[in-house]
Amino acid sequence: QVQLVQSGAEVKKPGASVKVSCKASRYTFTGSYIHWVRQAPGQGLEWMGWINPNSGGTDYAQNFQGRVTMTRDTSISTAYLELSGLRSDDTAVYYCATQYTTTATVFGPWGQGTLVTVSS
Amino acid sequence: EILMTQSPATLSVSPGERATLSCRASQNVASRLAWYQQNPGQAPRLLIYDASTRATGVPARFSGSGSGTEFTLTISSLQSEDFAVYYCQQYNNWPDTFGQGTKLEIK
Repeated sequence: QVQLVQSGAEVKKPGASVKVSCKASRYTFTGSYIHWVRQAPGQGLEWMGWINPNSGGTDYAQNFQGRVTMTRDTSISTAYLELSGLRSDDTAVYYCATQYTTTATVFGPWGQGTLVTVSS
Repeated sequence: EILMTQSPATLSVSPGERATLSCRASQNVASRLAWYQQNPGQAPRLLIYDASTRATGVPARFSGSGSGTEFTLTISSLQSEDFAVYYCQQYNNWPDTFGQGTKLEIK
């Protein structure tokens, strides 16, 4: 069964950067896009973008363009999300998820989530 | 950006009864609509995509319907594990957008 395991919680100061990892197993890593979705405390879900692990191609939501970088290391089946210029409203749980089908950007399974707290 | 509006915000239903959750899109999204379930402290779980197709392993008591701008998720006979927050998502127009969620609670 597909498994995504994310890195642990982070506490960062405003203006800093954070890099979250998402290690995939039990499927062909290069065969499925990986998406990143975040959820602020008590709030809904916000799509951030995707990476094609095969080509390294990316697509970012406009809200994050200029601050977000998604990369991957195929040798260890791991995707990364880096967010720079952190603000207090970037405090959220960040999830990675595989794309469930090739014809629809729907998400599943998901990683367990990584809490990023931005605080001075 | 397409706005997804879910109603009600909170729905109180007794176990064994039927629950009906609604999702409205601000523009036509055809059948490009998914539903997710999220339990407290857990990641979301895909239930339905293409408006009415159940994801692998999702029980038959979950069904989705609708197209265009109006969609419904129905849970036919609520089990204890179904009390959670449900989100809809459109993927017809970039960027993908989610509703704000409906909390399904025990009556």
